[in-house]
This record gives sequence, C-alpha cells and structure tokens, in this order.
Amino acid sequence: QQKVQQSPESLIVPEGGMASLNCTSSDRNVDYFWWYRQHSGKSPKMLMSIFSNGEKEEGRFTVHLNKASLHTSLHIRDSQPSDSALYLCAASEGFASALTFGSGTKVIPCLP
Amino acid sequence: NSKVIQTPRYLVKGQGQKAKMRCIPEKGHPVVFWYQQNKNNEFKFLINFQNQEVLQQIDMTEKRFSAECPSNSPCSLEIQSSEAGDSALYLCASSLSKGGTGQLYFGEGSKLTVL
Repeated sequence: QQKVQQSPESLIVPEGGMASLNCTSSDRNVDYFWWYRQHSGKSPKMLMSIFSNGEKEEGRFTVHLNKASLHTSLHIRDSQPSDSALYLCAASEGFASALTFGSGTKVIPCLP
Repeated sequence: NSKVIQTPRYLVKGQGQKAKMRCIPEKGHPVVFWYQQNKNNEFKFLINFQNQEVLQQIDMTEKRFSAECPSNSPCSLEIQSSEAGDSALYLCASSLSKGGTGQLYFGEGSKLTVL
C-alpha cells in the first residue's frame, strides 16, 4: 500500500472555480511535504513545499499542513485551463530521505 | 524546458533483453534520483546517488537493476533482463540536496515498453 495517499483520484473543476486536493501520509516519521504538478507528457515540476504547520499561499495556490494528522491539502482558486494536470503530493522522513510520492490527483477544468 | 536531460525518450525491448537509460543532471547538482512511474501514475523510488556514491536503493534495484553515476559521464540506469512489469516511465531527477528539503528537478523521462 502506498505510504502517501491522495484523494480524489480525479477532479472536474469549473473554470473560475476552486479545486481542493488532499494528501495524507501513513508514515509517522515524515517531516516535509511537497506538491508537484505534471502536465500530460511532461516532467513533474515543483509547485509548492510546506514544512511547518499552517498555511502558505502563492498566487492562486494555497497549501495547508497539519503535522499531527500528517495531512496536507492543496487549493487552487480561479481554476484555469492551464491547471489541467496531474498533481502529485510527496513526503520525506528527513533531510537525507528520498521523497515518497502519491499517485496523484488529475485535475480537469471544464467550462462553467 | 527541463535542464535534466534523459535519453532515449522511448525504448522498446523484448522480455529478457537489457534496457539502458541515461541522465545528465542539472549542472551543479550533486544528487541524482531515479524513479519509476507506472501507467497508474504510481511512483516508485529506485535509487539515488550523491556524486558517484549510492545513498539509498530499494531491493528491486539491487537484483535486476544496476545504476551508476560516473564522474564526467551521464548517469545510467540499466535493467539486466527486462520483464513485462518493467514497462513504465523512468524519471531521473537531480537536486542540490540529498532528500527532504531539496527540490527535485525532473527530466522528461524514458518510456520503456517491454513486449
């Protein structure tokens, strides 16, 4: 079973709407969380990282982290066609630990 | 555009054949990672290097897979005897850091199809 679970598997979002993506780690040792975005046929690219409890905002993207529950969420507001991609959550146990990725949430913007 | 260069983009092998993929990390990045992304988008970490030394690797890598990052040459990942289950996208990434706090920069991947 994947140590990093993402939900939902796919998400249809009206253009201009809000997309909310979830990610939970089953490994209690993880310290760092990342969100990567992978457009179809392209390589994953880092979107945002969060290492401490709370919220972080960059443009239309906001991430939350609750370290006690090992849960992070990514919120995309004012959804655009260019947001169509696979959003991957990743976590690591420590400074020297390789990232463990989830299977992603596919975001599909649609006409409102 | 990715600054991590992977070749070839596609390779097709028969079962039992060797499959070799190469990766040139981003300039100045001492750490290189290999991941396998299957058709269900599941990522599996395979191995990582700092300069020429292996940092971590999984069991699968120890048995049929071999990898190296020689100095002044591309890194490589080789499957000694390909199996159908090896069909996947093999992603190379480089980083300034060994893990947790380091952003990964991915290449476009090498898509392996084992017939």
